[in-house]
Amino acid sequence: QVQLQESGPGLVKPSQTLSLTCTVSGGSISSGGYYWSWIRQHPGKGLEWIGYIYYSGSTYYNPSLKSRVTISVDTSKNQFSLKLSSVTAADTAVYYCARGYGSSWEYYFDYWGQGTLVTVSS
Amino acid sequence: EIVLTQSPGTLSLSPGERATLSCRASQSVSSSYLAWYQQKPGQAPRLLIYGASSRATGIPDRFSGSGSGTDFTLTISRLEPEDFAVYYCQQYGSSPTFGQGTKVEIK
Repeated sequence: QVQLQESGPGLVKPSQTLSLTCTVSGGSISSGGYYWSWIRQHPGKGLEWIGYIYYSGSTYYNPSLKSRVTISVDTSKNQFSLKLSSVTAADTAVYYCARGYGSSWEYYFDYWGQGTLVTVSS
Repeated sequence: EIVLTQSPGTLSLSPGERATLSCRASQSVSSSYLAWYQQKPGQAPRLLIYGASSRATGIPDRFSGSGSGTDFTLTISRLEPEDFAVYYCQQYGSSPTFGQGTKVEIK
């Protein structure tokens, strides 16, 4: 059974960089065929896809966030990470990591982490 | 970007009743690449349906999905107490998007 677990600071100051890591267990990121994704949910709101990384390192980001997002992968640790720069209060959200299943152009999310709340505040 | 509009916003029903949730896309969703998720308070979304009508592993058969093109439906044939939650649709595209959700609440 694949499991994902987010970790990182729960509080980030405005203008700084939000950094989160997702640790995958029960399966290898390097096995291929999956699109390791970050998704966020603003308090009381819907879901917003942020981007994905493939085990090879190729990435694809939501155009609305692309200028501020970097997703990286560490296959030796079976982890992938999110960096979101120049954060504002509008970036306060629960951040989920998830496994995308399908192809690089069309995928759904079959496994999710439990989510971690990140608050942007001074 | 494909915009998904879910209706109704809230559905008030009693256990045992049938729930019908709608998801309408702003443009045709290719190859029925649409998924449905269930989310309970404080939990991550759980995949229910993919490919518009295929149930994910372990999902009870009271959940069914249908539709194609721009109109999709999630049906819960008989509501169980654990089914009261928020449901989201998602289109697969290169930049996946989600609907705003339908809350199924106890009447």
